[in-house]
Amino acid sequence: AQSVTQLDSQVPVFEEAPVELRCNYSSSVSVYLFWYVQYPNQGLQLLLKYLSGSTLVKGINGFEAEFNKSQTSFHLRKPSVHISDTAEYFCAVSPAGTASKLTFGTGTRLQVTL
Amino acid sequence: DTGVSQNPRHKITKRGQNVTFRCDPISEHNRLYWYRQTLGQGPEFLTYFQNEAQLEKSRLLSDRFSAERPKGSFSTLEIQRTEQGDSAMYLCASSLGVGADTEAFFGQGTRLTVV
Repeated sequence: AQSVTQLDSQVPVFEEAPVELRCNYSSSVSVYLFWYVQYPNQGLQLLLKYLSGSTLVKGINGFEAEFNKSQTSFHLRKPSVHISDTAEYFCAVSPAGTASKLTFGTGTRLQVTL
Repeated sequence: DTGVSQNPRHKITKRGQNVTFRCDPISEHNRLYWYRQTLGQGPEFLTYFQNEAQLEKSRLLSDRFSAERPKGSFSTLEIQRTEQGDSAMYLCASSLGVGADTEAFFGQGTRLTVV
């Protein structure tokens, strides 16, 4: 079984500032790791994913994440946020080899202000 | 293809009534998933299909819930005798399911309110 912990429920940040959203996971097997974004009353959109190989993964909208196996972390970062980045962000894991049966964290609300 | 489509987007029902939601996956995707998301929480896995076969059900899926995917294309999720605790966003997702199955695509969800 897998579990995901998102350490911050809310992260307020000013526009153009950098941001890091933290994610730690637990699993007894190898995993795939994902970050999804959810805008109000919308479904989930994939930002980026780690399957294997390079531990630094780049995604859409200028986001990137780094997989750290020893710390079982997959933190999401963006060097300069925009107002339009205001949304809920979810970290998720699945057993390696399949994107099925995702286990999600409880989410981090990113609030970007001027 | 415009992606995963879910209908209706919103449903308000009285406690005790039955409701049915529909999900149309991306056409070439073999796998289809249902998730439930309550307020302030991440989505929780309910069940998934490989073509028309329902391969796994979460213990969250009580006897009042039933899902079908009769021809391996669209899927329906029915909730019988709805309870207020069933109020949630129900999300459908699909993935290729063959070879490198590395990404699930989500629909916009159906928000259920039981009054």
